[in-house]
Amino acid sequence: GAVVSQHPSRVICKSGTSVKIECRSLDFQATTMFWYRQFPKKSLMLMATSNEGSKATYEQGVEKDKFLINHASLTLSTLTVTSAHPEDSSFYICSARRGGNTEAFFGQGTRLTVV
Amino acid sequence: SQELEQSPQSLIVQEGKNLTINCTSSKTLYGLYWYKQKYGEGLIFLMMLQKGGEEKSHEKITAKLDEKKQQSSLHITASQPSHAGIYLCGADLTGANSKLTFGKGITLSVRP
Repeated sequence: GAVVSQHPSRVICKSGTSVKIECRSLDFQATTMFWYRQFPKKSLMLMATSNEGSKATYEQGVEKDKFLINHASLTLSTLTVTSAHPEDSSFYICSARRGGNTEAFFGQGTRLTVV
Repeated sequence: SQELEQSPQSLIVQEGKNLTINCTSSKTLYGLYWYKQKYGEGLIFLMMLQKGGEEKSHEKITAKLDEKKQQSSLHITASQPSHAGIYLCGADLTGANSKLTFGKGITLSVRP
């Protein structure tokens, strides 16, 4: 299957700082990328849909100023958690699709811990 | 309420046994995706089903989508410890071919 690379896999940051997470599609062009947050024993919660060259579409309840998403190219989307707080600690995971009606491939996930 | 229900919540089987897990929705599943996840890691794509009645197999895993496109099952034959993990189903519930909604996942343990 296609490869989606997410970096970093783990990050610890101080409260009040910002953290950037990268999601790259290594062997295909992803017109759409998705950012999820996963809580223990809960389903993946979609945060936003990122389309190359346009603004991300955020799900209800997700603060767009808090979670900045940039999809600058067909192979790279970034999620920046701004002014992180301990409650932002979670597992963040991205996925990418070539287009509609195709498989969605996932990155390895990023474990964010805010201290 | 959960739009995608997965059952059972968890499952422990003896190595070599067959098992079936399910994914059900009250809405039409325009596209149904099965993934496997190890705790703290990414999701590994298993299979995608789109047509009512469709069935796909890969190695010892078979996935089916019912004719009404509201339920999918994943069957593992002769389970092995390598099959252990969290199985998630994701679905396109709008037909817009965009975002996927996920169930909570089923934790499978296989005892040697």
